[in-house]
Amino acid sequence: GENVEQHPSTLSVQEGDSAVIKCTYSDSASNYFPWYKQELGKRPQLIIDIRSNVGEKKDQRIAVTLNKTAKHFSLHITETQPEDSAVYFCAALGPLSLTGGGNKLTFGTGTQLKVEL
Amino acid sequence: DSGVTQTPKHLITATGQRVTLRCSPRSGDLSVYWYQQSLDQGLQFLIQYYNGEERAKGNILERFSAQQFPDLHSELNLSSLELGDSALYFCASSTSPTGGSPLHFGNGTRLTVT
Repeated sequence: GENVEQHPSTLSVQEGDSAVIKCTYSDSASNYFPWYKQELGKRPQLIIDIRSNVGEKKDQRIAVTLNKTAKHFSLHITETQPEDSAVYFCAALGPLSLTGGGNKLTFGTGTQLKVEL
Repeated sequence: DSGVTQTPKHLITATGQRVTLRCSPRSGDLSVYWYQQSLDQGLQFLIQYYNGEERAKGNILERFSAQQFPDLHSELNLSSLELGDSALYFCASSTSPTGGSPLHFGNGTRLTVT
């Protein structure tokens, strides 16, 4: 099955600096890569996603890049603010299940981002 | 508000007991996913249903079972509970049967097994 590795596990930056979180996946058939932000005690929320036919996607201060050949994708946050402090999860959508036709979204282990004043 | 409703918010029970977690998906979403979030293991996929049918299965224990009803709400049943089952259980819904659309998570049910 799909395996997603995420680095670093913790990241501390100064306000205004950029933050980069990297993920690798194992299944070359994976075709959808979302990123979720989870604030303390709250539910994960989608912040950006990218499909395998696109190399880069940007939404204001957030961007995601995908390298299918190397099987890795990254989240870039520019001009970080204190409200960006949270746990960020990458995920990869695996191939269709042979039995049910659905497929599972496998999550990385998360990156605790702390933006310091 | 994601539109996904999970009940109860908190559940405290003893080892060996059985509990039922309930989820109502966003209006119009036919897919429901269950995830377990423990401190050390991130978000672990348990099972997916689409329009009442099981579509994909993760590392769900045999002691756990789920179903999706005709009104599209879903229930996750956990039996013979062990201390290690203590976790935050999230339900998520989406429009797609194949997972290629955003998941909308509920606020979770925190299960504590004592």
